[in-house]
Amino acid sequence: DTGVSQNPRHKITKRGQNVTFRCDPISEHNRLYWYRQTLGQGPEFLTYFQNEAQLEKSRLLSDRFSAERPKGSFSTLEIQRTEQGDSAMYLCASSRRSGGKAYGYTFGSGTRLTVV
Amino acid sequence: QQQVKQSPQSLIVQKGGISIINCAYENTAFDYFPWYQQFPGKGPALLIAIRPDVSEKKEGRFTISFNKSAKQFSLHIMDSQPGDSATYFCAASGNSGGSNYKLTFGKGTLLTVNP
Repeated sequence: DTGVSQNPRHKITKRGQNVTFRCDPISEHNRLYWYRQTLGQGPEFLTYFQNEAQLEKSRLLSDRFSAERPKGSFSTLEIQRTEQGDSAMYLCASSRRSGGKAYGYTFGSGTRLTVV
Repeated sequence: QQQVKQSPQSLIVQKGGISIINCAYENTAFDYFPWYQQFPGKGPALLIAIRPDVSEKKEGRFTISFNKSAKQFSLHIMDSQPGDSATYFCAASGNSGGSNYKLTFGKGTLLTVNP
């Protein structure tokens, strides 16, 4: 187990294009989270999944954003019609839920998106 | 609304010194308080965490002090080393919906340890 894997590491796209990021969580983790981090700020929660169910979406997640976790394994985050304000580091994390608590909360190295 | 306020924004410490970073929270439902360390180009890595049933937790050179009545917690790094130079984030999570899941982060502190 090599931790949480995110691909690609970097993505440069033109404004108006669609982009998709992938996250592979730690295998035994049933929870998966997406965060966004802009320069000089802490990560901000976007959404999370328990298995394949998306249980919460932040108001930061506009209708141009969609996340999926088919079969409760890897997850994808898609941004449609990208805007310059979408430029940020997109972080994925995973954890194991046991006894009402989250354990082993681990972040990936992120995908840095630049919209030009 | 910034629910977790972190200070200072940046900190310079000499090798061997003590680094202290402070955080304050507003939401009394928070019951899990982790600190994360982040190096450039990497994701945050969990350093140490505390729950409000204890006032202090120590792991090696890292100590969290927690003051529930003041709604404040701090990270102390003893014998600071140049390799500790990184950005540190405090965070908090509440027992919403029956389990901790969503972390609310502070804005971060850029620590520089001079040799």
